[in-house]
Amino acid sequence: DAKTTQPTSMDCAEGRAANLPCNHSTISGNEYVYWYRQIHSQGPQYIIHGLKNNETNEMASLIITEDRKSSTLILPHATLRDTAVYYCIVNAGGTSYGKLTFGQGTILTVHP
Amino acid sequence: DTGVSQDPRHKITKRGQNVTFRCDPISEHNRLYWYRQTLGQGPEFLTYFQNEAQLEKSRLLSDRFSAERPKGSFSTLEIQRTEQGDSAMYLCASSLEGVGGTDTQYFGPGTRLTVL
Repeated sequence: DAKTTQPTSMDCAEGRAANLPCNHSTISGNEYVYWYRQIHSQGPQYIIHGLKNNETNEMASLIITEDRKSSTLILPHATLRDTAVYYCIVNAGGTSYGKLTFGQGTILTVHP
Repeated sequence: DTGVSQDPRHKITKRGQNVTFRCDPISEHNRLYWYRQTLGQGPEFLTYFQNEAQLEKSRLLSDRFSAERPKGSFSTLEIQRTEQGDSAMYLCASSLEGVGGTDTQYFGPGTRLTVL
C-alpha cells in the first residue's frame, strides 16, 4: 500500500471549516483514498472515500488533486465532537481485499 | 443498531491465562478483519477472513493467537498464555466485497485487554 503523510496536529475553532491535508504521492491508479477518524477509546469511524473525483457526504467533503498525489478532508462546520484522530489511508480494496495500513494520523482539536 | 459488535468491551486477565474475544460483523458482510491497537499508535492488521476462510495472517499474530470464523458469520480471536505485551485494544472490522469497486471497512467498538 502507498504511504501517506499527514500533519501531526491541527486546531480549529468551533463552527469553522476544518481542512485536513494528506499527501500520497506514490498512490497507484487503482487505489482509493479513505478517511477514518477515531475518537478516544472508540473504534475507527469511516468518514468518506474517493478515487479521482471530489466526494461529499453528510459528514465531510473530500477533495482529491488532479494528479491524485494529495487530498484534503473538509469538515464544513466543525463541532467539539469532531475532536479526534483523523487517518488518511490509501487502499486498493474491491476484488483485491485491502488491509488498512494506519499511520499516525492528524490529531484535530476543535476549540470553543 | 446493525453495526459491528464486539464482546466483551473490556477484559482484565492475569498473565498466562487464555482469553477469547468475539466479533459479530454487519449482516451479510463476507469479509472480516482483526486489528490490534496499542496506546498512541494506529491500528495494525492482524488477520483477514473471506467468508470462513482465513486468507492472511500478519507476522504480529504469533502462534499463541488463533482466529476462527465458523460458517462465515461471527469470528473469535483467542490468545493463549497471555503476556503483558498483549495488552491492547483489539478491533474487528467487516466489509462487503467489491461493492461499487470499493471495500469499505466498518469497525466495531473494540475489546480492551489488560494483562496484569
